[in-house]
Amino acid sequence: AQTVTQSQPEMSVQEAETVTLSCTYDTSESDYYLFWYKQPPSRQMILVIRQEAYKQQNATENRFSVNFQKAAKSFSLKISDSQLGDAAMYFCAYRSAGAQKLVFGQGTRLTINP
Amino acid sequence: DVKVTQSSRYLVKRTGEKVFLECVQDMDHENMFWYRQDPGLGLRLIYFSYDVKMKEKGDIPEGYSVSREKKERFSLILESASTNQTSMYLCASSLLGTEWGQPQHFGDGTRLSIL
Repeated sequence: AQTVTQSQPEMSVQEAETVTLSCTYDTSESDYYLFWYKQPPSRQMILVIRQEAYKQQNATENRFSVNFQKAAKSFSLKISDSQLGDAAMYFCAYRSAGAQKLVFGQGTRLTINP
Repeated sequence: DVKVTQSSRYLVKRTGEKVFLECVQDMDHENMFWYRQDPGLGLRLIYFSYDVKMKEKGDIPEGYSVSREKKERFSLILESASTNQTSMYLCASSLLGTEWGQPQHFGDGTRLSIL
């Protein structure tokens, strides 16, 4: 079974600085998808960014980018120019290519200091 | 935008009660999911459904059942609530398919307390 590990329960960063959240996963599959979800204090989970395993190019969405290292099974999220609205729980998730369900990590709570 | 609506944001029930959590989505998604979220454990899948009247067990189905009589509605049932089922429950939906562009869309969550 696949597992996802987020080793940083909490992180904090100064506003306008850059922060990187770590995620590692364990799988024997070669085709899969990876996601970062954000859960603000209002609680609705929203998708931040996604990556296909067969694409070598790292995904980018505005201030959010990933560092996908397939051989190392690592999928970190970089947030540039951090804003107060980035404060949230961040979850890394894995989905097998042929499956419908997600496997989530434990989450990292990100605090933005003004 | 996809809207996933959970019937209650906060719910307090007593041990032994039968509890129903309701979820409705408005985007004609085939897949619907129920997760529970606990600190330090992330989200764990309880059950999911890929079609009306179809269901599959997730990672922690014990003590729960589900019902999907209509495509837009997916209910989670705690047959006899126990205190260890106090948690945040999240519902999600997505299109059926294995293409990468099928993200899950989440509701606001129901914080359930069992006394």
